[in-house]
Amino acid sequence: NAGVMQNPRHLVRRRGQEARLRCSPMKGHSHVYWYRQLPEEGLKFMVYLQKENIIDESGMPKERFSAEFPKEGPSILRIQQVVRGDSAAYFCASSVGTSGAGSNIQYFGAGTRLSVL
Amino acid sequence: AQKITQTQPGMFVQEKEAVTLDCTYDTSDPSYGLFWYKQPSSGEMIFLIYQGSYDQQNATEGRYSLNFQKARKSANLVISASQLGDSAMYFCAMREISKTSYDKVIFGPGTSLSVIP
Repeated sequence: NAGVMQNPRHLVRRRGQEARLRCSPMKGHSHVYWYRQLPEEGLKFMVYLQKENIIDESGMPKERFSAEFPKEGPSILRIQQVVRGDSAAYFCASSVGTSGAGSNIQYFGAGTRLSVL
Repeated sequence: AQKITQTQPGMFVQEKEAVTLDCTYDTSDPSYGLFWYKQPSSGEMIFLIYQGSYDQQNATEGRYSLNFQKARKSANLVISASQLGDSAMYFCAMREISKTSYDKVIFGPGTSLSVIP
């Protein structure tokens, strides 16, 4: 039973290029979350998606960043015109779904390390 | 505003000894969940243990236990019989369950644990 799959593991981009990060949730999970981790810091929430819907994007910068989770295929986090400050580890997590009670544990992928030159 | 505090940036423990990693949280929500994740040097985020705010007993998972003191808003992680493989960053995190429309998890800054042989 495969876990959350993220690719690529490492991504190098020059300033101004686009970065596309992919995330396939665990089997049976319909909720996807993206987090960003800067060096020596904890994870910061970016966006929460369900199939074809963005539920909460309050943590995502308004410009250059976008996310989608199409009906078919992986979730994509897209960063346009990357800058050096975008260099970070980007983690995707998935869960079964929200509930009024219960853990709804988020399971994480191995992350994508983005380096902007 | 919710907040997670981990006051120990770095901890050392002798192999086979027990260690407690501190976590305090702040929320006005009566229903919430608390999590601990481990991040080894390889970078992945590994779920360790979960505690619900209404759970009567402290959570335990193998060598991990969560010392939950609701009145003090603390959720310390106890690792018994430390092993060299326990050396990693440890993150405390919180999810507010009653706000079921949004489901983001807030992470603390982390504690770096080093196990000494």
